[in-house]
Amino acid sequence: EAQVTQNPRYLITVTGKKLTVTCSQNMNHEYMSWYRQDPGLGLRQIYYSMNVEVTDKGDVPEGYKVSRKEKRNFPLILESPSPNQTSLYFCASSFEAGYEQFFGPGTRLTVL
Amino acid sequence: GEDVEQSLFLSVREGDSSVINCTYTDSSSTYLYWYKQEPGAGLQLLTYIFSNMDMKQDQRLTVLLNKKDKHLSLRIADTQTGDSAIYFCAEGYYGSGNTGKLIFGQGTTLQVKP
Repeated sequence: EAQVTQNPRYLITVTGKKLTVTCSQNMNHEYMSWYRQDPGLGLRQIYYSMNVEVTDKGDVPEGYKVSRKEKRNFPLILESPSPNQTSLYFCASSFEAGYEQFFGPGTRLTVL
Repeated sequence: GEDVEQSLFLSVREGDSSVINCTYTDSSSTYLYWYKQEPGAGLQLLTYIFSNMDMKQDQRLTVLLNKKDKHLSLRIADTQTGDSAIYFCAEGYYGSGNTGKLIFGQGTTLQVKP
C-alpha cells in the first residue's frame, strides 16, 4: 500500500530533551516536506526537500533540523524542544515539487 | 503576500448541501486544493482544480473558482454525518522555482447534524 508513515504518533517530552520524528514514504517520491498544524493557523511548512541531500527552510524553520540521506526517509529533529513547539506535525511527499502531496497520519507532540 | 482565509465553522443538517468558502490572495497559484481531515487522522486530498478552470464536479463534490474575486468554494451535496470533519483549502504552484509549498487556510469545521 502506497503510504507515508510517521513515528511516533504521540509524544510527550520535556523542554530541552532532543527528539526525532521519523517519516518514511514508499512511493519513490522525490519531494518531501514537514508541516505543523496549530489551531486557527492551518498548516505551515517547516522544511522541505526537493530530492536526496537537498533540503531548505519553509516558513517556520526555527528550532528544527532535517536531513535527507535516503530518498524514502525525511526525519524531523528537535535539538532542544520548547513548549511553543507543542503542535501536530505532518510529513508529506509528492512525485516532485508542485504535484499532489500525500500526507502521513500526523504526530502529536507535547513539550512540557 | 500569500494568504488563504476560511470561515472556521459550518453546521448543516444531514441531507442538506454544504458550501465551504475560501479566499486567497496570490493570483499566481496554479492549483487550488481541498483537503479533508477527520479526527485523529491525516489530510486526505478530496479534489483540486487548476487555476484556469471555473468549475469541477466529482460525484457529490463541486468546486467553483472565481479568479477575479480570488474565491474558491466546495459544495457537498446530500451531506452525510460521515462528512463531519475539518476541511482545508490550499493553494500550490507548479513551474520553475517553485518550492512545492502548499499555503493552507485555517480550516473549516463542518458539523453535520442528524
